[in-house]
Amino acid sequence: LAKTTQPISMDSYEGQEVNITCSHNNIATNDYITWYQQFPSQGPRFIIQGYKTKVTNEVASLFIPADRKSSTLSLPRVSLSDTAVYYCLVGATGGFKTIFGAGTRLFVKA
Amino acid sequence: GAVVSQHPSWVICKSGTSVKIECRSLDFQATTMFWYRQFPKQSLMLMATSNEGSKATYEQGVEKDKFLINHASLTLSTLTVTSAHPEDSSFYICSAAPALGQLNEQFFGPGTRLTVL
Repeated sequence: LAKTTQPISMDSYEGQEVNITCSHNNIATNDYITWYQQFPSQGPRFIIQGYKTKVTNEVASLFIPADRKSSTLSLPRVSLSDTAVYYCLVGATGGFKTIFGAGTRLFVKA
Repeated sequence: GAVVSQHPSWVICKSGTSVKIECRSLDFQATTMFWYRQFPKQSLMLMATSNEGSKATYEQGVEKDKFLINHASLTLSTLTVTSAHPEDSSFYICSAAPALGQLNEQFFGPGTRLTVL
């Protein structure tokens, strides 16, 4: 299983764009990159998933360079409610186990 | 979107008793379900992988006789913490992978807070 490395914590202000980068140097050919958000005492919530290049949905964008050894989650114009822990996961398919890294604690300030 | 529920959402029990936690996929069939444990301020730790109709696969260091997992149907998996002790107090989260899922997406339950007195 590919190991992921993320910054432990980040601070931001409301309205700013936040970029969280994840390193996954030993990503396998069949692996996808998935980002989850978790609030205290809740289960993780799916944010976005991608394999290569750029993926965008209504809440975030995911940038993946050609070598796929890293990825960047971009949250546009964060609000206080985006304060949470963000996890980057790398894995083959939904039926294969995935290992959570330490995650990034994002704190959005007013 | 796909919904996974857990029951109960929280439970308090006495040391030595057993506690069963249910994980249900409400609007999809899940061939595979996963059980995680999370301690305060820490990440999720995978405990076991549960496949419908077969024995669960436990991660290293997780006692299979203490954490009994049953995945009897494509929509239900249960985790039973046997002879619970205070050190078993934690936040238990399940996730389910759709049987016909095309992507590496797991849907997570809301979690169950277990407190052992």
